[in-house]
Amino acid sequence: QKEVEQNSGPLSVPEGAIASLNCTYSDRGSQSFFWYRQYSGKSPELIMFIYSNGDKEDGRFTAQLNKASQYVSLLIRDSQPSDSATYLCAVNRAGGSYIPTFGRGTSLIVHP
Amino acid sequence: ETGVTQTPRHLVMGMTNKKSLKCEQHLGHNAMYWYKQSAKKPLELMFVYSLEERVENNSVPSRFSPECPNSSHLFLHLHTLQPEDSALYLCASSQGRAGGRDEQFFGPGTRLTVL
Repeated sequence: QKEVEQNSGPLSVPEGAIASLNCTYSDRGSQSFFWYRQYSGKSPELIMFIYSNGDKEDGRFTAQLNKASQYVSLLIRDSQPSDSATYLCAVNRAGGSYIPTFGRGTSLIVHP
Repeated sequence: ETGVTQTPRHLVMGMTNKKSLKCEQHLGHNAMYWYKQSAKKPLELMFVYSLEERVENNSVPSRFSPECPNSSHLFLHLHTLQPEDSALYLCASSQGRAGGRDEQFFGPGTRLTVL
């Protein structure tokens, strides 16, 4: 059973702080990793993807991947109240599969 | 229209009704997905179509019946549903790129309530 685990939270951080969201996965064959943001009552939207070990930065967002330890994380710098949402981690396996496994999501609350 | 659209956005139906959800993608993608999202539960993958062929069916009850007439359209036909089927039904599409480098684009969802 391929699993993607996330702490459901809520993770509460003050405005301006760094929010750190973590995700672990069980399938060592996983090759592609995605972070989606879902506002309450809305559908998920892609914010980051990462395929190689290390860090990938996009504006205030940084995705970190460590395949040896089987975890992927998302850092949000200078957190804003508008970042309050549920963040979903998704993992794709290699070998021709493009069907993702989603984690439960972590609820993030950024308070002023 | 751009992206992925879904209709209706809200649906209330009785347990004996028959209704259909519609999804259309304007992205030129090859793969389309139905997900169910219930409160406090993770996204549940229901069906996947690639180039109009069903490639995944996650043990979904037969009261849900998908149809993919072409690569741009996906339907979910509903009949004799149960109250526990009330949820947000999300459609998504992707390129269907081999090797997993394949991000998904979601529609706005249909909020279904079964009375």
